[in-house]
Amino acid sequence: GAVVSQHPSWVICKSGTSVKIECRSLDFQATTMFWYRQFPKQSLMLMATSNEGSKATYEQGVEKDKFLINHASLTLSTLTVTSAHPEDSSFYICSAIRAGSYNSPLHFGNGTRLTVT
Amino acid sequence: DAKTTQPNSMESNEEEPVHLPCNHSTISGTDYIHWYRQLPSQGPEYVIHGLTSNVNNRMASLAIAEDRKSSTLILHRATLRDAAVYYCILLSINMLTFGGGTRLMVKP
Repeated sequence: GAVVSQHPSWVICKSGTSVKIECRSLDFQATTMFWYRQFPKQSLMLMATSNEGSKATYEQGVEKDKFLINHASLTLSTLTVTSAHPEDSSFYICSAIRAGSYNSPLHFGNGTRLTVT
Repeated sequence: DAKTTQPNSMESNEEEPVHLPCNHSTISGTDYIHWYRQLPSQGPEYVIHGLTSNVNNRMASLAIAEDRKSSTLILHRATLRDAAVYYCILLSINMLTFGGGTRLMVKP
């Protein structure tokens, strides 16, 4: 079945540094990928919608200059948390949908746990 | 924008059926209704999806109201492994909306 690989699965970084998270669709092309954030014991929160070859669409309240999204190919989207601070510590998840196929499941990555010290 | 509304939590006994409701009164004609479930510290897992007609698969059934303003995910016999947070998600071209999910607890 279709698989989405997210890397790294966890990362610890120091305050002020930047962290890049990768989301790859392994056996299908994904025109659209979605990025989410989830704090402990809370619901998923959609951060942004990433379309291949164009700028990401950010949800209200999500700083686009802090959470940089690049979707340069049909199989890879990256989320960079710039100048990370402890309040950015969270579980970040991506999902992808097969190109041209909205009548098909979303495929989620297994998430990246970010801890900023 | 369309948004889904689900109860925060539900409880079920093992081996009994579970009906998880979702309201999506502002659904548009192109929105597919998807259900996913999430275990702690994992990405969500696909359960089922549909557009207008009821759907069945090996995991669950999806009952969609005639006006599409609500849907119900049916687990026919709950097991302890079904304990998770269930999300009802509306998906159309380039757009995805959902609410807070339902935490399902299954008692042995």
